Amino acid sequence: GIQVEQSPPDLILQEGANSTLRCNFSDSVNNLQWFHQNPWGQLINLFYIPSGTKQNGRLSATTVATERYSLLYISSSQTTDSGVYFCAVETRLRAGNNRKLIWGLGTSLAVNP
Amino acid sequence: DGGITQSPKYLFRKEGQNVTLSCEQNLNHDAMYWYRQDPGQGLRLIYYSQIVNDFQKGDIAEGYSVSREKKESFPLTVTSAQKNPTAFYLCASSIAGGGEQYFGPGTRLTVT
Repeated sequence: GIQVEQSPPDLILQEGANSTLRCNFSDSVNNLQWFHQNPWGQLINLFYIPSGTKQNGRLSATTVATERYSLLYISSSQTTDSGVYFCAVETRLRAGNNRKLIWGLGTSLAVNP
Repeated sequence: DGGITQSPKYLFRKEGQNVTLSCEQNLNHDAMYWYRQDPGQGLRLIYYSQIVNDFQKGDIAEGYSVSREKKESFPLTVTSAQKNPTAFYLCASSIAGGGEQYFGPGTRLTVT
């Protein structure tokens, strides 16, 4: 089945720094989502981005589907950005199969004041 | 406000007892999902339902059961047959056929 790899596994930043998180996937995908899991466990949708580039405030994401990777950019990081960032991909529908999300193991981010 | 609610937030049970976790959504989504998360891990799919009165096993369905009698509700029962039930359980929903998934706040289950 499809594999999803995220890097780096852990990241420590000083407040105000920029960072790039990467998600590689091993096969064609139907969609890709980025999530932020806060320290209380809530998963917050960041981007739904099967291809192209999207921006939302200090965050932006780019997915290059033909090269099977996606990048999440965090600029001017804040302590509230701390948590785990997950990438999840949905495989293309095959006859008789329902679609589902395949998850990476996440990048754990700590932003220090 | 539209969203997904899960209750309770924390749940403690003795080994050998069945326990049911609640998941309700008012997003008018047809599809609903249950995931399990263990420390330091990604999410694993337990069960999903694309439509009322129908559901499918995910990757780790053994020891779990679900029902989908109403569009808004998708309760998960953790049975005594589940060997390692202590985990964080997350419910999600989406439009029919896939698409962006939205998550509830989760239930932390501890079985001793």
